[in-house]
Amino acid sequence: AQSVAQPEDQVNVAEGNPLTVKCTYSVSGNPYLFWYVQYPNRGLQFLLKYITGDNLVKGSYGFEAEFNKSQTSFHLKKPSALVSDSALYFCAVRDGGGADGLTFGKGTHLIIQP
Amino acid sequence: EADIYQTPRYLVIGTGKKITLECSQTMGHDKMYWYQQDPGMELHLIHYSYGVNSTEKGDLSSESTVSRIRTEHFPLTLESARPSHTSQYLCASSDPYGYTFGSGTRLTVV
Repeated sequence: AQSVAQPEDQVNVAEGNPLTVKCTYSVSGNPYLFWYVQYPNRGLQFLLKYITGDNLVKGSYGFEAEFNKSQTSFHLKKPSALVSDSALYFCAVRDGGGADGLTFGKGTHLIIQP
Repeated sequence: EADIYQTPRYLVIGTGKKITLECSQTMGHDKMYWYQQDPGMELHLIHYSYGVNSTEKGDLSSESTVSRIRTEHFPLTLESARPSHTSQYLCASSDPYGYTFGSGTRLTVV
């Protein structure tokens, strides 16, 4: 079975500071990893994904994530936070050799303070 | 810009009514999914399909049913809505490169 853990329910960051949203995963095969963002009363917007290749993945809106196989982590990062980054962030995984449905973490509320 | 469409966007309905939530995609994806999400909470897979005439139940048990008669269309039906069905329902489709989500239907059963 595959699973995702987002250990922080909420992350507070001052505008202009770097941010990190943590994610660890568990799959039996090779992981396909994703980050999505959700604004209030909206669907999910894709930020970035890791399938294979470079461990550092760059995505939309200046976000990036680093795949760390030994720590089974895929933390989301941004060098300088904006107030408009405030939203709910979901990490998701699927087993590259298994069923196709994504398994999501419980989400992390990111709050950027002006 | 969305290539996957869900209607209605919001729905308030009385207990016992039959409802169908619509989901359509224009990308030709074979694989489609329904997720249920309580407000500000995690998403749970309730149904998925690998293609026409294929439907499977997901990780979270749901009283809803789905059908897949056409590749582009994956409706979800509740035969008799109850307040416990109040939630947001997100439809998605995928190809080997990733997943695309619709904007969701927020269902309230009163």
